[in-house]
Amino acid sequence: GQQVMQIPQYQHVQEGEDFTTYCNSSTTLSNIQWYKQRPGGHPVFLIQLVKSGEVKKQKRLTFQFGEAKKNSSLHITATQTTDVGTYFCAGWDNYGQNFVFGPGTRLSVLP
Amino acid sequence: DGGITQSPKYLFRKEGQNVTLSCEQNLNHDAMYWYRQDPGQGLRLIYYSQIVNDFQKGDIAEGYSVSREKKESFPLTVTSAQKNPTAFYLCASSSIGTGPYNEQFFGPGTRLTVL
Repeated sequence: GQQVMQIPQYQHVQEGEDFTTYCNSSTTLSNIQWYKQRPGGHPVFLIQLVKSGEVKKQKRLTFQFGEAKKNSSLHITATQTTDVGTYFCAGWDNYGQNFVFGPGTRLSVLP
Repeated sequence: DGGITQSPKYLFRKEGQNVTLSCEQNLNHDAMYWYRQDPGQGLRLIYYSQIVNDFQKGDIAEGYSVSREKKESFPLTVTSAQKNPTAFYLCASSSIGTGPYNEQFFGPGTRLTVL
């Protein structure tokens, strides 16, 4: 079945450093969504990418969707302590029948 | 005040008992979802429903059952057949389709512990 992987599993950075998490799917995705979950909380939607090669920015966050629509990345510039949490990618397969979350990347930011 | 509510926040049950987790939304969303999250893990889809009186199995439906009698409600029953029911259960809802508005909104979750 469809599998979505994310690397790294954990990332510890000093405040002000950049951070990137990568998402790879075993099958082509119709879209990719990114969510953030704070410790003890529930996932909160960040963004959705639909087009091949699409790039979107939200302040210090940059999201990319690969040309083959099988991979994606989230880059945070100059991390802050408020960026702490687990970042998940998720997407529907091309038939719209299976929605799968990646295992997440847990980000720690040291002040 | 729109959103998704799940109750209770914490639930304890004895092994062998069925338990039903509630999920209600007033966002007028057609689609609703149930996920399971284990410590340090991602979310795994249990069931989802895109219309009243219809639902589809996700990756880990065995040992679970759902109903969708009303658009606003999507209760999940964890049956005694579920071998490892202790987990954090999250309910979500969204509009339908793969357009720009189908982000999923999550409830606060129910942490189920089976003793």
